[in-house]
This record gives sequence, C-alpha cells and structure tokens, in this order.
Amino acid sequence: EVQLVESGGGLVQPGGSLRLSCAASGFTFSSYWMHWVRQAPGKGLVWVSRINSDGTITNSADSVKGRFTIARDNAKNTLFLQMNSLRAGDTAVYYCARDPSDGSGYYFDRWGRGTLVTVSS
Amino acid sequence: YEMTQPPSVSVSPGQTARITCSGDALPKQYAYWYQQKPGQAPVLVIYKDSERPSGIPERFSGSSSGTTVTLTISGVQAEDEADYYCQSADSNLTCVVFGGGTKLTVL
Repeated sequence: EVQLVESGGGLVQPGGSLRLSCAASGFTFSSYWMHWVRQAPGKGLVWVSRINSDGTITNSADSVKGRFTIARDNAKNTLFLQMNSLRAGDTAVYYCARDPSDGSGYYFDRWGRGTLVTVSS
Repeated sequence: YEMTQPPSVSVSPGQTARITCSGDALPKQYAYWYQQKPGQAPVLVIYKDSERPSGIPERFSGSSSGTTVTLTISGVQAEDEADYYCQSADSNLTCVVFGGGTKLTVL
C-alpha cells in the first residue's frame, strides 16, 4: 500500500526555520517526481515546490523562492522541505504528494495526510 | 497564471452536478480534478482531462473544450459533498496551478 507520512510541523516564530519530512513506502520512491502542496486554514490548495526523481531538478512557487528548499534522500525514501525566514502567511497544512507524470505534466495521484505549520509569535 | 472555478455549486441527490474551470493554458495542458472532504487529504478523481483513476465511481467524468474543463458528477450522492479543485500547469510546465476550489453542496 502506498503511504506518505509527513512530519516536522509545529509552531514557529516569524523569521524562524522548520524542516518537514515525508516518509514514503509501498512504492519505488526513487522513480517518482514529488511535490509539496500547502493549504492555509479554510483556504484552497497551493503548490509549493517539486523535485524530480533523482533530485537534480527542483522548482518552487515565487512565494517561497529563496526561502524554501526541497530535497530528497532516495536511500531513505524520504522527501524534505527546508523552510527558512518563515512568515505568518506560510501558516498552512503542508502535504507531500506523489507525481506519476514523469515530468511530462504535473499531477498528484497520492497524498499524505499533511502536517500543520503555524507561524506566530 | 490563474484558473477560475465557481465558489459553489448546489444540487439535489440524483441530479447532475457540473463544475467548470477556466484557464488560458488549458488548450495546451491537461487538467486534473481532486475531491477534498473536511479534514482529509485531496483525492484524485479525474486525470488528463477525462481519465478516471481506478476506484473512482463511474459517475465522475471529465471533459474539455477550449479554455474550459468540466467535472461532471452524474446521479450525485450525499457522499459527494466536498470541495473540488481543478489543477493544471502553465504553458511552459514551470509551475503547477490550482483553481480556487468549488464547494459542492448536496441539498
């Protein structure tokens, strides 16, 4: 069974940092592009960042560019999101999601349950 | 790049619900649809405009025409009440875009 389990969320002060992890199981992690998608409380889905299967290609939304870094460890079947210079507007549930498209067009066939990040003083 | 959905759609059980999504890149890029129930992660219900993943009921279908894609739910059931999001990419495949979401209410 495909499973994606996020962790690392919590309460952090503005300007602080947090590192999210997503543990993958039930599939060949190293064969898939992976993404982070977030959802502020009561709001819609917003794409954050993506990484290709071997970690050599990454891309992020303008709103997080220069502050967030996506990475992966295929040996440990784990996806990461390093979040620096956090702002109140980054408060959201962060989902990791699997992309079966092989880079030809992006979509998400499996999602984790999400981890809540709250940025507040 | 933006994609536009109606904020809400309401239908009675057994009727057909249609949720539209418009975006300039849709003639060039596939559209995808997700269902999200309160407190849960999204679930893919339509991919590549009109394909249905395994396990998704046949009453869910998708179509595309020009800059508009449509999710159709035939014979709506109470369990279909949820938020629905369309998703695509910009013309150059540099970013992923979601529509604002449509709340489907089953009366």
